[in-house]
Amino acid sequence: DADVTQTPRNRITKTGKRIMLECSQTKGHDRMYWYRQDPGLGLRLIYYSFDVKDINKGEISDGYSVSRQAQAKFSLSLESAIPNQTALYFCATRSGFETSDTQYFGPGTRLTVL
Amino acid sequence: DQQVKQNSPSLSVQEGRISILNCDYTNSMFDYFLWYKKYPAEGPTFLISISSIKDKNEDGRFTVFLNKSAKHLSLHIVPSQPGDSAVYFCAAAGAGSYQLTFGKGTKLSVIP
Repeated sequence: DADVTQTPRNRITKTGKRIMLECSQTKGHDRMYWYRQDPGLGLRLIYYSFDVKDINKGEISDGYSVSRQAQAKFSLSLESAIPNQTALYFCATRSGFETSDTQYFGPGTRLTVL
Repeated sequence: DQQVKQNSPSLSVQEGRISILNCDYTNSMFDYFLWYKKYPAEGPTFLISISSIKDKNEDGRFTVFLNKSAKHLSLHIVPSQPGDSAVYFCAAAGAGSYQLTFGKGTKLSVIP
């Protein structure tokens, strides 16, 4: 079984709809991240969480919100989806404080906003 | 302003030859560098990393070189195999940083 899972894997929605992307991990890591990938733009950080009570904005947080329901679960919400939020979304986890600690990524959610 | 740059969107290499993927950075506070590999329909997976106190790190067929004065790093794959065909992301972090800054990626195609 995968260590970091994301649901749904694909989602098509309409402008103005609220949508939630979910991430679960079995690695026991405290740190969790949400990224988006756009063609030709690499990965950009949306939000990150160091533990259940610690949530922080990343580079591109506008239009998004997150919830850390438990150590193992980190959800990303689009309150009112817009077409330029069409992208590939990745959740990631990380074990510790050290810069050298690796981030482990989920398989991604492909979101299309019509 | 892009702090981590991968100026080649794509690269094609014959099987068995060397693949060289390049990455430049502008932020002098970066001191840890990573390469991630991504196959279609999968998340990125960690490949190899290097600390700024080193100029080379090797892991099997993969070697990363760091030139701090030029703010440049490269990933060498020798010999290249068809299974290496993927998108490779360069990423960087500062000391104690909680986040990675990614480049745009280079799509490597290894031709049998």
